[in-house]
Amino acid sequence: KAGVTQTPRYLIKTRGQQVTLSCSPISGHRSVSWYQQTPGQGLQFLFEYFSETQRNKGNFPGRFSGRQFSNSRSEMNVSTLELGDSALYLCASSWTGDYNEQFFGPGTRLTVL
Amino acid sequence: AQSVSQHNHHVILSEAASLELGCNYSYGGTVNLFWYVQYPGQHLQLLLKYFSGDPLVKGIKGFEAEFIKSKFSFNLRKPSVQWSDTAEYFCAVNAKGSYIPTFGRGTSLIVHP
Repeated sequence: KAGVTQTPRYLIKTRGQQVTLSCSPISGHRSVSWYQQTPGQGLQFLFEYFSETQRNKGNFPGRFSGRQFSNSRSEMNVSTLELGDSALYLCASSWTGDYNEQFFGPGTRLTVL
Repeated sequence: AQSVSQHNHHVILSEAASLELGCNYSYGGTVNLFWYVQYPGQHLQLLLKYFSGDPLVKGIKGFEAEFIKSKFSFNLRKPSVQWSDTAEYFCAVNAKGSYIPTFGRGTSLIVHP
C-alpha cells in the first residue's frame, strides 16, 4: 500500500506570495491533518479534514487555509507569505482520526525569502 | 487544553548505553499516547502507542515505554542503543475522543559509534 505523498517536496517563495501544497493520503484514509514543523516549535497542528470538512483547526492565522477533495486528497494554502512561514509542512492521514494513529508524509520544505 | 513536555532536548550517548527519554503531559482525562521517531531524511513514523491495557508497551526496534498515570508520564526506554537510533523522537498525546494529538517539541538523540 502506498504511503502518504506530498508535493512538491521543496519550494522557495518570496514574501507576499502565496503557495499551495498537496497531500495524497493512504488509500482508504479519510482523515488528513496538516502540521508545521520548525526547529524551535516542534510540530504544531494546523488543521484536520475529514470527509471534505474541516473538523479541527489549530491556532494559526487565517492566511493558512486548506481543503479536502472527495478522493480525500488535501491541499493547504498559505497566502501573503512571511519569513516566519519557512518550515517543513507535514501531512498525516488516518482511517477515521478516532484512535488517531497517523501516518506521515515526507513533508514539503518551504523556504520564504 | 492538553500539553506535552519533553524534558531532554538533546541527548548524546555512546553505543550500548541505555536510553530513557522523558515525556509528561497535562490532561486530566483518558488519553492515547504515542512516540514517533524521525530518522535523518525520513518520514516521521510511529515507534509505539498506548491506548489501554498493559501500561508497559513494546514498540519497534527494541523500544518500550511505560505509562504511569499517577505521574502523567510516558517515558521511552531502550536498554542498549545503536548508532542507527540517531534520530529525533517525539512524544504525542491525544485525549480520548479528540482527533488531534499534541506533540512535544522533540528530543534529538545522537548515538556515537
